[in-house]
Amino acid sequence: DIVMTQSPDSLAVSLGERATISCRSSQSVLNTSDNRNYLAWYRQKPRQPPTLLIYWASTREFGVSDRISGSGSGTDFTLIISSLQAADVAVYYCQQYHMTPWTFGQGTKVEIK
Amino acid sequence: QVQLEQSGGEVKKPGSSVKVSCKASEGTFNNYGISWVRQARGQGLEWVGSILPLFDITNYAQRFKGRVTFTADKSTTTVFMEVNSLRSDDTAIYYCATDGIMDYWGRGTLVTVSS
Repeated sequence: DIVMTQSPDSLAVSLGERATISCRSSQSVLNTSDNRNYLAWYRQKPRQPPTLLIYWASTREFGVSDRISGSGSGTDFTLIISSLQAADVAVYYCQQYHMTPWTFGQGTKVEIK
Repeated sequence: QVQLEQSGGEVKKPGSSVKVSCKASEGTFNNYGISWVRQARGQGLEWVGSILPLFDITNYAQRFKGRVTFTADKSTTTVFMEVNSLRSDDTAIYYCATDGIMDYWGRGTLVTVSS
């Protein structure tokens, strides 16, 4: 199984400041046949299902704020929230869909400092 | 429009079974695989497995093989997840979601296993 490891487990950021979350996979999720990284990011607010933010490591889902961006390739990925707002308080998960079983990172809790 | 409507919460005894439903819009049923993901209280997300409902092709995470069964009813565009031999650590919210890139999710079904 591909193990996904996020860091940090939690972070507190001041309003308007940048939040950076890292995600590392135990093996590459880059598919060399299509040159795509099979990596997604989700946000989950309390008592709600997760919502998709980013797929193919850097493609923003329709309707997601351009303050949110994803980058990385192979085994190392980053999610950036460029200017934190109160609505961004949530738990963020990375997920690989390169090979089953699909696996998620343990989650990163983002709070306001 | 993609919609996934899940059945209501269940309370079950250890050792019993539970069957959770996820009704999909017709387009979703015919064009998407459906994954099941569970989340214990205060914990992260765990993939249980998936089904391609139009063809009844299933894929289970190893730890659930033999204890979980996915089925699909084409007449009602509904997929089902049955979990047998329930244990207390199966207590969780079970979500259905579009497979792979999970761009649509149901609202979740809380399954509580308690004696």
